[in-house]
Amino acid sequence: SQQGEEDPQALSIQEGENATMNCSYKTSINNLQWYRQNSGRGLVHLILIRSNEREKHSGRLRVTLDTSKKSSSLLITASRAADTASYFCATDEAAGNKLTFGGGTRVLVKP
Amino acid sequence: DAGITQSPRHKVTETGTPVTLRCHQTENHRYMYWYRQDPGHGLRLIHYSYGVKDTDKGEVSDGYSVSRSKTEDFLLTLESATSSQTSVYFCAISESSNLDEAFFGQGTRLTVV
Repeated sequence: SQQGEEDPQALSIQEGENATMNCSYKTSINNLQWYRQNSGRGLVHLILIRSNEREKHSGRLRVTLDTSKKSSSLLITASRAADTASYFCATDEAAGNKLTFGGGTRVLVKP
Repeated sequence: DAGITQSPRHKVTETGTPVTLRCHQTENHRYMYWYRQDPGHGLRLIHYSYGVKDTDKGEVSDGYSVSRSKTEDFLLTLESATSSQTSVYFCAISESSNLDEAFFGQGTRLTVV
């Protein structure tokens, strides 16, 4: 099974609304990252949060990390049609060199 | 954009034939990864490398082998392709495993018929 699991699997919102997605993981981590994938393309890095950080912002993105619950959330504020994509969390396990991904959340932002 | 190139971008092959996918980077990054992406499964790690000739298995390594004889090249070989290996394959690179973002190639769409 995968290290990270995103929830929900799919999300449909109106332009201007906020989008929130969650990621849960199983083992201790060094950091947690969020990536975006537009249809048919490679993944693009959005933000990285280290295990000793609790919250991080980048533009319209806000990421939280709760290591006691082994979970993270990604909030996209004031969404735009261009935010339509799949979003993945990825964890770098503390015990190894692997970067493993969850199943992703498909976000549809309707104009 | 990070200098990472996958080849070929598309391939159709027959069951039972060997197939090699190539990932080439110009960033001199230490870590290289091969993932496969299938509907409903997200990205699953096949193999990864943490240096020249240093590789390790991921979660779905059966039926795949890798080689890294130079820093810039990471090869993924399907020893005897099966229909279950029809997928989109992504290569990724990173400078370190725990401090840096990973950069992805554009993917290789492999169809095994």
